Amino acid sequence: EPEVTQTPSHQVTQMGQEVILRCVPISNHLYFYWYRQILGQKVEFLVSFYNNEISEKSEIFDDQFSVERPDGSNFTLKIRSTKLEDSAMYFCASHIADPNTGELFFGEGSRLTVL
Amino acid sequence: AQKVTQAQTEISVVEKEDVTLDCVYETRDTTYYLFWYKQPPSGELVFLIRRNSFDEQNEISGRYSWNFQKSTSSFNFTITASQVVDSAVYFCALSDFQTGKLIFGQGTTLQVKP
Repeated sequence: EPEVTQTPSHQVTQMGQEVILRCVPISNHLYFYWYRQILGQKVEFLVSFYNNEISEKSEIFDDQFSVERPDGSNFTLKIRSTKLEDSAMYFCASHIADPNTGELFFGEGSRLTVL
Repeated sequence: AQKVTQAQTEISVVEKEDVTLDCVYETRDTTYYLFWYKQPPSGELVFLIRRNSFDEQNEISGRYSWNFQKSTSSFNFTITASQVVDSAVYFCALSDFQTGKLIFGQGTTLQVKP
């Protein structure tokens, strides 16, 4: 069964460091998303990406965040200068075509701990 | 604005009891999709069901069933004969028709005791 894969599964970093979270969406999918879940809280939308550009971003997704699809297979989330409050589980998700058909596939998440 | 409310923060039941998790949503869209996800202690999001706004038929999948009531903007989830393995956080979510992004509720933590 096809799946969305994320690396690393857990990363610990010092405040102020740059972090890149990587995702490999399912190969024929066209829509990509990042979501964030602070421990014990709900899952929140960060950004959606289609046709090599951001299609929507939330107010959480400020200038410290960026996304990229560098090589047609990976989809990355970069946090330029991490803050304590960036500690969370980050989920990548992908969708095959029209976002309103079929299932949104989530990866297993990358847990980021900022010290 | 779109919003999903799961009023039950935590529910505790004894194994074999039936349990219903409530979900109420708000949207101005006439077409939308509703979802339930399970998040076990390991942290991943497990897809349970997707239902579009035009289909109000109730659905049953094994011990799971869903009751979609458009008139009350609710999409409740019932687990029949609960098991310890059902212990998890359950999220209800609403998709934005334009972008496909999901708006999640706060989640309900279900604890099933043996």
